[in-house]
Amino acid sequence: AQTVTQSQPEMSVQEAETVTLSCTYDTSESDYYLFWYKQPPSRQMILVIRQEAYKQQNATENRFSVNFQKAAKSFSLKISDSQLGDAAMYFCALIQGAQKLVFGQGTRLTINP
Amino acid sequence: DVKVTQSSRYLVKRTGEKVFLECVQDMDHENMFWYRQDPGLGLRLIYFSYDVKMKEKGDIPEGYSVSREKKERFSLILESASTNQTSMYLCALTGTSGQPQHFGDGTRLSIL
Repeated sequence: AQTVTQSQPEMSVQEAETVTLSCTYDTSESDYYLFWYKQPPSRQMILVIRQEAYKQQNATENRFSVNFQKAAKSFSLKISDSQLGDAAMYFCALIQGAQKLVFGQGTRLTINP
Repeated sequence: DVKVTQSSRYLVKRTGEKVFLECVQDMDHENMFWYRQDPGLGLRLIYFSYDVKMKEKGDIPEGYSVSREKKERFSLILESASTNQTSMYLCALTGTSGQPQHFGDGTRLSIL
């Protein structure tokens, strides 16, 4: 069975600084995709970044980047130059085969002005 | 942009009632999903559907059923609501393999 673990229930960071959210996962497959989703208080789930497991290069989207370590089954999210609008719940998720997403428990990120 | 519409943002029902949660999409995506979200547990898959009249159980299907009579609509049914089904319910859909899922705004359901 696939599992996704986020070991940090809460994180906080000063505005303009960098923060890293951790995620580990377990799967027996070699072909899969990993995602980070953001859920602000408005509740809308927003895709932050996507990584294909067969790609060694780490995905980047503006201030958001990942550190994908396939052998270690680790997929952390780095947010640079944190902004107040980054405050949200962040979910790591894994998908393979039949489109079913498996989510981690979530990390609540607070941005301190 | 893909639009996923859930019929209610907030819903309050009583124990034993039959509850319907509706999800409608404006695209032609085959795959639709129902999740429940609880603090500390993340999102857990209840049911999903690959096509009209097709459904498969997710990780926590007990106490729920689904209906997909038309491609654009996927309904979650609580046959006899219980207090432990108080939760946030999220509908999602996706098209091709490996693509991210698009989510509705969620329904916060309270069972009294």
